[in-house]
Amino acid sequence: DFQMTQSPSTLSASIGDRVTITCRASQSIGSRLAWYQQRPGKAPKLLIYEASSLESGVPSRFSGSGSGTEFTLTISSLQPDDFATYYCQQYQDYPITFGQGTRLEIK
Amino acid sequence: EVQLVESGGTLVQPGGSLRLSCEASGFTFSDHYMDWVRQAPGKGLEWVGRIRKKVNSYTTEYAASVKGRFTVSRDDSKNSLYLQMNSLKTGDTAVYYCARGGSYLPFAIWGQGTMVTVSS
Repeated sequence: DFQMTQSPSTLSASIGDRVTITCRASQSIGSRLAWYQQRPGKAPKLLIYEASSLESGVPSRFSGSGSGTEFTLTISSLQPDDFATYYCQQYQDYPITFGQGTRLEIK
Repeated sequence: EVQLVESGGTLVQPGGSLRLSCEASGFTFSDHYMDWVRQAPGKGLEWVGRIRKKVNSYTTEYAASVKGRFTVSRDDSKNSLYLQMNSLKTGDTAVYYCARGGSYLPFAIWGQGTMVTVSS
């Protein structure tokens, strides 16, 4: 199985900050990586796919990069709506696997 | 509007069975692979299983944790996806989401989720 490891598990930041979340795969997944945002009590929302492609309707302050085993999600200037939990996901092979999540909280 | 709506979640005893449904609208359901993902209370996301489309013979894939107990099926005439869950365990307690997937595609569309509680 492809294990996905996110860091940090929790991140405290302020409005306007630039933040980066890292996701590491146990084996190369090429660019088959997605990032999701999940607010409490809500379904996940796709932000980034193919490691760096922005999903339609997602603000441009979100960006993704990486390939192989190391990936990052960057939020360039935090907005109040951005405080949520973020998950990476690999869809290169079965079983499809998610990272354990990064909770982004207000400092 | 593109939408997925799950139903069928409830309280069930360990060892029991339950079938979840997911109704799609706003897109051509038969053109897409469909997936189930679950989330235990306070925990992360876990992929459960997938069903491919007719041209792929409706083949399925499962997570090891549910293989042999859960079955994913679909009825394209009803734009509906199903998850038959048998031999339920307390560890299956979770919100179950259906999602629209695809071959080497992420989950672009998600339902709102339905809660399954396995408890005596």
